[in-house]
Amino acid sequence: DSGVTQTPKHLITATGQRVTLRCSPRSGDLSVYWYQQSLDQGLQFLIQYYNGEERAKGNILERFSAQQFPDLHSELNLSSLELGDSALYFCASSPQGSPSTGYTFGSGTRLTVV
Amino acid sequence: AQKITQTQPGMFVQEKEAVTLDCTYDTSDPSYGLFWYKQPSSGEMIFLIYQGSYDQQNATEGRYSLNFQKARKSANLVISASQLGDSAMYFCAMRGKTSYDKVIFGPGTSLSVIP
Repeated sequence: DSGVTQTPKHLITATGQRVTLRCSPRSGDLSVYWYQQSLDQGLQFLIQYYNGEERAKGNILERFSAQQFPDLHSELNLSSLELGDSALYFCASSPQGSPSTGYTFGSGTRLTVV
Repeated sequence: AQKITQTQPGMFVQEKEAVTLDCTYDTSDPSYGLFWYKQPSSGEMIFLIYQGSYDQQNATEGRYSLNFQKARKSANLVISASQLGDSAMYFCAMRGKTSYDKVIFGPGTSLSVIP
């Protein structure tokens, strides 16, 4: 157990639907990062939150949104789902003030859009 | 913009032999960090090793070492004494100068260890 918890582990849904992916960072980590891993795009950075505030944005579609709550857990909302959104979605967290520390990743949520 | 290149989509190595996985990067930042991650078939991402751009010595962690050549902008991962459990995808990654900066990943190299 890495300390980063992602739920659910698997999700199957239909096109056009909306889903919410949840992430609880490792205890004490204030930063949360979301990544999308698909076969043809590799690991793509989506968005970063630090202590509740959006810190950086990557190639995140307008249909996707995220937030980090006061208890530091984060949710990634994916709406109007398309077949191409099928991917493994990772959440990662890191402690502040320690550049040499790699991210700690959750086990991921595998989303399948049918 | 920052970019990571891994030119080896797939590699094979004999068990107990050493293997080098290539990584080159591009950045205009004078300060940055380089990472390697392992992703076995089970899917989890495992942090292996870190090299800071100002570190004088190459990083080592057990059987993993990083061959850092700053002028050539390369950060190759060397795995010594390969084991069957080393079969996995390996990703090179880079972060900006602070721990708050996002990490970008290369496309990965698939390593297969042959008994």
